[in-house]
Amino acid sequence: AQTVTQSQPEMSVQEAETVTLSCTYDTSESDYYLFWYKQPPSRQMILVIRQEAYKQQNATENRFSVNFQKAAKSFSLKISDSQLGDAAMYFCAYKDAGGTSYGKLTFGQGTILTVHP
Amino acid sequence: GAVVSQHPSWVICKSGTSVKIECRSLDFQATTMFWYRQFPKQSLMLMATSNEGSKATYEQGVEKDKFLINHASLTLSTLTVTSAHPEDSSFYICSAAPHLARGEQFFGPGTRLTVL
Repeated sequence: AQTVTQSQPEMSVQEAETVTLSCTYDTSESDYYLFWYKQPPSRQMILVIRQEAYKQQNATENRFSVNFQKAAKSFSLKISDSQLGDAAMYFCAYKDAGGTSYGKLTFGQGTILTVHP
Repeated sequence: GAVVSQHPSWVICKSGTSVKIECRSLDFQATTMFWYRQFPKQSLMLMATSNEGSKATYEQGVEKDKFLINHASLTLSTLTVTSAHPEDSSFYICSAAPHLARGEQFFGPGTRLTVL
């Protein structure tokens, strides 16, 4: 079974600074998707960024970028120019591209990010 | 686009009663919907996968008779917590997958259930 591990229960960053959230995963599949979701205090899950395993290029969405290391099974999220609105719980998630677990997301434990003004 | 709604957002019920939570995809058709449970400051735990027109697939350890799931249309799935007890108090979140090949799931805002 696939597993996703976020080893940082909590992280903090100063406003306008850069922070990196770590995520590792375990799978025997070669084709899959990886995601970072943000859950602010409202508890609404928001998709931050998406990476397809067969793409070597790291995904980028404005201030958010990932460092995808397929061989190392690592998928970290970098937030640049941090803003107060970035404060939230961040979840790393994995999904097979096919097979019997088609559609299911496997989530990491989450990292609580605090942004200091 | 890709908006998912949940109703109610917050419900309080007495022990022994049943509660129904609705999950709707507002601007897309969802062949598959997912139901999660989340405790404070913890991750999402998948309870079941709901496919339109067929029986839900429950995760190991989830009681099928307690958590009834119905996916009667391409835009609506319901979760009924039967004979609720205080230990069922939690935050329940649904998600919908319009294009499974792309991987994304879009999440509803969640329902906070409190059983007295």
